[in-house]
Amino acid sequence: SQTIHQWPATLVQPVGSPLSLECTVEGTSNPNLYWYRQAAGRGLQLLFYSVGIGQISSEVPQNLSASRPQDRQFILSSKKLLLSDSGFYLCAWSVRARATPQHFGDGTRLSIL
Amino acid sequence: QQQVKQSPQSLIVQKGGISIINCAYENTAFDYFPWYQQFPGKGPALLIAIRPDVSEKKEGRFTISFNKSAKQFSLHIMDSQPGDSATYFCAGLADTGRRALTFGSGTRLQVQP
Repeated sequence: SQTIHQWPATLVQPVGSPLSLECTVEGTSNPNLYWYRQAAGRGLQLLFYSVGIGQISSEVPQNLSASRPQDRQFILSSKKLLLSDSGFYLCAWSVRARATPQHFGDGTRLSIL
Repeated sequence: QQQVKQSPQSLIVQKGGISIINCAYENTAFDYFPWYQQFPGKGPALLIAIRPDVSEKKEGRFTISFNKSAKQFSLHIMDSQPGDSATYFCAGLADTGRRALTFGSGTRLQVQP
């Protein structure tokens, strides 16, 4: 069966520090991969999605970047965190087929001080 | 064009009652409509999904009703239980272009014992 792993589960970082969140998927090949951010009590905002290694689409201009160095690895990064980067970051995957669901990891709670 | 509007924002239901959450979409290219359930500190989990060629789908106590002409769909939770207390998100997925879910803003459901 397929599983998705995100780490760390929680992270507290000072303003201006770098960020690296990692997501890996097991049990499937060539998945679509996604990064979402969820503000407290709010819906999910798509940040990035990837249909293959090195292929990244950005949804909103921001302080963050994403990379996909391997087929089942998706990394969310920042060179200098802002207070507004605080939130709940969720990675998700889906198969490359029509009308299929996305499956989410358990997220990383990021707090910027 | 991408928006999915969800209501109500919060809902309190007595145990054994029916919970109803409504969503409306604008993008006629959506061809897959999942509902997700999210517990605090966890990622959203797929609950049930429907395609626009059917008007209703039932899985256990959960039913999706779909009205293609009105561009609306709803989630009904029959015999609501305290364990159903969570945040629920509707979403739409288009077959072309952006292969990522567009989420509603979420409904916080509280089932009182």
